[in-house]
Amino acid sequence: DVKVTQSSRYLVKRTGEKVFLECVQDMDHENMFWYRQDPGLGLRLIYFSYDVKMKEKGDIPEGYSVSREKKERFSLILESASTNQTSMYLCASSRLTEKWVNSPLHFGNGTRLTVT
Amino acid sequence: QKEVEQNSGPLSVPEGAIASLNCTYSDRGSQSFFWYRQYSGKSPELIMFIYSNGDKEDGRFTAQLNKASQYVSLLIRDSQPSDSATYLCAPSGYSTLTFGKGTMLLVSP
Repeated sequence: DVKVTQSSRYLVKRTGEKVFLECVQDMDHENMFWYRQDPGLGLRLIYFSYDVKMKEKGDIPEGYSVSREKKERFSLILESASTNQTSMYLCASSRLTEKWVNSPLHFGNGTRLTVT
Repeated sequence: QKEVEQNSGPLSVPEGAIASLNCTYSDRGSQSFFWYRQYSGKSPELIMFIYSNGDKEDGRFTAQLNKASQYVSLLIRDSQPSDSATYLCAPSGYSTLTFGKGTMLLVSP
């Protein structure tokens, strides 16, 4: 089974802190994603990566950056955390197929981040 | 802007009934469709995918796709209390999945 591991289940940070959320997958998947999930807003894509050192903005990249130095690891960085970034953050990975469209996402357990 | 519409619910059904969950999408380029189940406090897990018009059955679950109408549904037969969760529809785009906000299903014993 695919395993996507997020480094922290719960995280509490202060406004203005730099925050790193780490995600590791063990199935050699090419694609990795960061979503945030908020009540009433659903899952929203922050950034994704389809290869090492490659990144693409999702729907809500503002206030975030990412890093992918190794294939198995995808990090989400909050440069200066703000209270409106309090959310559940979900990392996911998927296999790159000949057609993108047939590749389901496998999610990590999520990190609930609270910024005070 | 890709849009995925799902009734937020909750959809309440008695145990043993058929639950019908619906999803409409705006991107005509979507070729594959995924249904995820998300229990409260947990991450989404894939339960079905479909890429051809018509029905696809897997145990108690049937996914139905109508590309012309841009409509996909999920039927759960013999609903169980353990099916109580939020169900997310995700039509694929050219590079990423776009998720609906999900429909909460409540199955009462």
